[in-house]
Amino acid sequence: AQRVTQPEKLLSVFKGAPVELKCNYSYSGSPELFWYVQYSRQRLQLLLRHISRESIKGFTADLNKGETSFHLKKPFAQEEDSAMYYCALSAAGGGSNYKLTFGKGTLLTVNP
Amino acid sequence: EADIYQTPRYLVIGTGKKITLECSQTMGHDKMYWYQQDPGMELHLIHYSYGVNSTEKGDLSSESTVSRIRTEHFPLTLESARPSHTSQYLCASSEWGRGNIQYFGAGTRLSVL
Repeated sequence: AQRVTQPEKLLSVFKGAPVELKCNYSYSGSPELFWYVQYSRQRLQLLLRHISRESIKGFTADLNKGETSFHLKKPFAQEEDSAMYYCALSAAGGGSNYKLTFGKGTLLTVNP
Repeated sequence: EADIYQTPRYLVIGTGKKITLECSQTMGHDKMYWYQQDPGMELHLIHYSYGVNSTEKGDLSSESTVSRIRTEHFPLTLESARPSHTSQYLCASSEWGRGNIQYFGAGTRLSVL
C-alpha cells in the first residue's frame, strides 16, 4: 500500500526565513514523488516532481530513498508562497498504476 | 484553450435528489480521475478511467458512479444524494508518456441538506 505523511498541518514563518515542508512516504516499489500547491481561490497545480530535479519559484525537493522522504525547501520565503502544499506519490513509470496518493497537506503562512 | 472544466462550481441540493457533476477536458488526455476532499483534509481518489469505456473504483469507497463514453467527458453521478456526500469533488486528467502529472479542475463544492 502507498502512504504519504505530512507531519505538519500548519507552518508559519516570517518573510525571508528558510522554510521546509516535510513529506515522508511508504511504498514498496520505485516511487515518483510530487509537490502540488493550491493558492487561495486557485485550483490545485503541480509545483515540482522529483524526476525533473528542477527549482520552481525557488523551491527544491530531493528524494531521499534511504529516509523515504521528499521534503520541500526554500531558502528565503516570500509572502506569495502562502498556500496549501500537498505531497503526492505514484508508481514510477505508471504502468498499470497511474494513481496518485496524497498527503493531508501543510498550510504554509508567510508573515510580513 | 486547453483546460479542464467542472460544473457546477457550487451545488446545494436536498436529500434524495439525483445529481450529476460534470467534468470535461480539452487537453486531449486519456486518463481522468475524480477525487473527494473534505475541508482541510487530503484528496481521496474515488474513480478513475484510462480511456473510453474504462472506469475503475478508487481507493475510497463511494456511492457515486461514473461513465466515460467520450474521451473528453467524465461525469460523476449520485443517484440519491445524502448529507454524508457533502464535500468537494475534484476532477483531474493526465496523459500517457508524461509520468503522472495530473491537471486539476476548479472543483465542485456539494452541500446536501
